[in-house]
Amino acid sequence: QKEVEQNSGPLSVPEGAIASLNCTYSDRGSQSFFWYRQYSGKSPELIMFIYSNGDKEDGRFTAQLNKASQYVSLLIRDSQPSDSATYLCAVGGNNRLAFGKGNQVVVIP
Amino acid sequence: DAGVTQSPTHLIKTRGQHVTLRCSPISGHKSVSWYQQVLGQGPQFIFQYYEKEERGRGNFPDRFSARQFPNYSSELNVNALLLGDSALYLCASSAEALARAANNSPLHFGNGTRLTVT
Repeated sequence: QKEVEQNSGPLSVPEGAIASLNCTYSDRGSQSFFWYRQYSGKSPELIMFIYSNGDKEDGRFTAQLNKASQYVSLLIRDSQPSDSATYLCAVGGNNRLAFGKGNQVVVIP
Repeated sequence: DAGVTQSPTHLIKTRGQHVTLRCSPISGHKSVSWYQQVLGQGPQFIFQYYEKEERGRGNFPDRFSARQFPNYSSELNVNALLLGDSALYLCASSAEALARAANNSPLHFGNGTRLTVT
């Protein structure tokens, strides 16, 4: 079992719609959870972090964490063409971040 | 303030050669981590250094080594390059070592070094 799994294929959403991304992790001792956005050919950019169960909102982004289910998600409201990118889920622990392989989001104008 | 800076931005090497990649963290950050990202995959952890000491090592062969200097900058060295070492090498800095802080400090990535091994 991989440490961090992002299984969904490319996600196409109309402009203005909500994009929903999911991530599961295997280490119950994980303490910190991050979402990074990566444009093609660029480095990952931190967009959200969450440490406690529940929801955390920042602008159009909402991160949701459920430690009992070992599940973290990201919602992007009012999706814009500039949101088209790969979104990486990362889980912290043991002096490192473990990343999922990422989910590509394409926002269609 | 300058972010994480990496050099060079691109590099082409031949199999068997050696490469040194360099990284300067955000001012005030004492921890530097190195990640390898191959196309279509998420970044894979290679090393973490904090206060010039190795604090973590990922599942990479001994051909990979790193060090951190008194000014907190860092070098990643890869010996005997293989074709499979072709990747984007990312350096990230954080204010604290991940295991030190109760709430793990987010990592801030540099623009990366694109290494191509032919």
